[in-house]
Amino acid sequence: EPEVTQTPSHQVTQMGQEVILRCVPISNHLYFYWYRQILGQKVEFLVSFYNNEISEKSEIFDDQFSVERPDGSNFTLKIRSTKLEDSAMYFCASGREEYGYTFGSGTRLTVV
Amino acid sequence: AQSVTQPDIHITVSEGASLELRCNYSYGATPYLFWYVQSPGQGLQLLLKYFSGDTLVQGIKGFEAEFKRSQSSFNLRKPSVHWSDAAEYFCAVGAIGNYQLIWGAGTKLIIKP
Repeated sequence: EPEVTQTPSHQVTQMGQEVILRCVPISNHLYFYWYRQILGQKVEFLVSFYNNEISEKSEIFDDQFSVERPDGSNFTLKIRSTKLEDSAMYFCASGREEYGYTFGSGTRLTVV
Repeated sequence: AQSVTQPDIHITVSEGASLELRCNYSYGATPYLFWYVQSPGQGLQLLLKYFSGDTLVQGIKGFEAEFKRSQSSFNLRKPSVHWSDAAEYFCAVGAIGNYQLIWGAGTKLIIKP
């Protein structure tokens, strides 16, 4: 069964550093998403990406965040200058339609 | 305000017993409704979804859910749970033209042998 692959599974970074979280969506999918889940809190939408552009973003997705699909296969989330409160599990998802998408296993980001 | 409430943080059931996980939502538009399951260290797996039509939806792993518009509910059920069903279950809601899903806080299912 096709999978969404996220790397790394766990990343530790120092406050103020840039991090790039990587995702390989399922190959024939058209819609791409990032969500995050702070420990003990709800899953939160960050951004959706369709047709090579952001289709929707939440208020969490400020100027510190960016997404790219640099080579038609990878889908990356960049946090430019990490803060302690960025520590969370970040989930990538992809789908052929708008909904019912497949999630990756997540990247646990720890900012110290 | 848009929200999803899963009133039970934890539920413990015996293996072989029936299960119902509750989900209530508050959403301005006609909702799309989802249940996801997350096993420890794993991603979020879609169990089932409701867009329209028959209000009783069948999903994977023997789960089903019923959409009740009058009660703003979308409860998940399984007639007989297995130890492998132990996981955290999330209800989520979205709407056409709105890409983001709004999530409940999750219900952790514990299975007693």
